[in-house]
Amino acid sequence: EAQVTQNPRYLITVTGKKLTVTCSQNMNHEYMSWYRQDPGLGLRQIYYSMNVEVTDKGDVPEGYKVSRKEKRNFPLILESPSPNQTSLYFCASSLGPGPLHFGNGTRLTVT
Amino acid sequence: GQQLNQSPQSMFIQEGEDVSMNCTSSSIFNTWLWYKQDPGEGPVLLIALYKAGELTSNGRLTAQFGITRKDSFLNISASIPSDVGIYFCAGATGNQFYFGTGTSLTVIP
Repeated sequence: EAQVTQNPRYLITVTGKKLTVTCSQNMNHEYMSWYRQDPGLGLRQIYYSMNVEVTDKGDVPEGYKVSRKEKRNFPLILESPSPNQTSLYFCASSLGPGPLHFGNGTRLTVT
Repeated sequence: GQQLNQSPQSMFIQEGEDVSMNCTSSSIFNTWLWYKQDPGEGPVLLIALYKAGELTSNGRLTAQFGITRKDSFLNISASIPSDVGIYFCAGATGNQFYFGTGTSLTVIP
């Protein structure tokens, strides 16, 4: 089944403790991106990647890192999480200019 | 970053009624997309539109790509309880996607 898989679904952590949220897609999509979703603010793009080893900042990249060493994987790294990064995160992928396919989300709480 | 103007923000309707929502932008897009998000889940693609003026249906859903390429609407006919959720529009140019803030739909049985 074609899908975007994120892990974990839920994560509670403390300020400053590095964490990684994994994202994997099995559709051979070149384009992958990360979004955060906050009430009243909709979906905001954090980082995106047009292909392997090609990444770029979205609208809200501060406090986040990404890497794209393989086509299928696009992990999101929070080196030193802070409470304002508490949010619902979505990974998405697409084939060229096609529509985005989203994962099921990771709800992160930073205390 | 750019956000699209999506309206209405929320709707409460009786089962069986038709629903209409729309998105407008100050920018031109090459693609308009409509998604539905259920609580605790990721957005799921409903309809993709690729050409100005295009009118596309998916079951009870119909969406149109505005002639000016700056707007789109989504209609849902004969709503049912499982239509409940948040509907998002997205405009795309190349690999840049911009989202509306969503329309929350409640269907009263």
